[in-house]
Amino acid sequence: AQSVSQHNHHVILSEAASLELGCNYSYGGTVNLFWYVQYPGQHLQLLLKYFSGDPLVKGIKGFEAEFIKSKFSFNLRKPSVQWSDTAEYFCAVGGNTGGFKTIFGAGTRLFVKA
Amino acid sequence: DTGVSQNPRHKITKRGQNVTFRCDPISEHNRLYWYRQTLGQGPEFLTYFQNEAQLEKSRLLSDRFSAERPKGSFSTLEIQRTEQGDSAMYLCASSFARGPSGNTIYFGEGSWLTVV
Repeated sequence: AQSVSQHNHHVILSEAASLELGCNYSYGGTVNLFWYVQYPGQHLQLLLKYFSGDPLVKGIKGFEAEFIKSKFSFNLRKPSVQWSDTAEYFCAVGGNTGGFKTIFGAGTRLFVKA
Repeated sequence: DTGVSQNPRHKITKRGQNVTFRCDPISEHNRLYWYRQTLGQGPEFLTYFQNEAQLEKSRLLSDRFSAERPKGSFSTLEIQRTEQGDSAMYLCASSFARGPSGNTIYFGEGSWLTVV
């Protein structure tokens, strides 16, 4: 069965600190991987996605994620966070196995102290 | 280019009443999804349509829930005989996909349901 596990439920960082949010998935077919972000009071927005090719993908606002197939991981990184990155981050997996639905992790709440 | 539109944005209802939510997807998107999200959790898949066909329903979707997409455009999600446990954010998302891969979904702002 498809599943997504996010390692940290809450993360608190100071501005300029580096960020890495863990994500592991279980999926039996060709995998599509996503990170979505939900800023306070706003709807879920796509941050970045991986379908194929270069396992290091870059998204908006300086975020990047690395797909490591052998570890079933897709961790999100940012070298230097800003106060405006305070949000909830969701890792998700989809593809062609078990239908075309996208399955989400429980999310990580990031709070960046100014 | 308009995004996914949902209404009503907020609904407060008494237990036992029926409620209906509407979703208008991004135009020409052929897939439409319904998710439910509660505080502290990620979106949970409920059901999805490809054009007008409902292709999958989660076991989370009890008999009190029904979704339709009659002409392959907008969709409705109806909850009959609401219970307090139905209180959640109901999210609609849509995508355009030609095949099994590369399916990126785009979310609406959601409809908050509070059952009192």
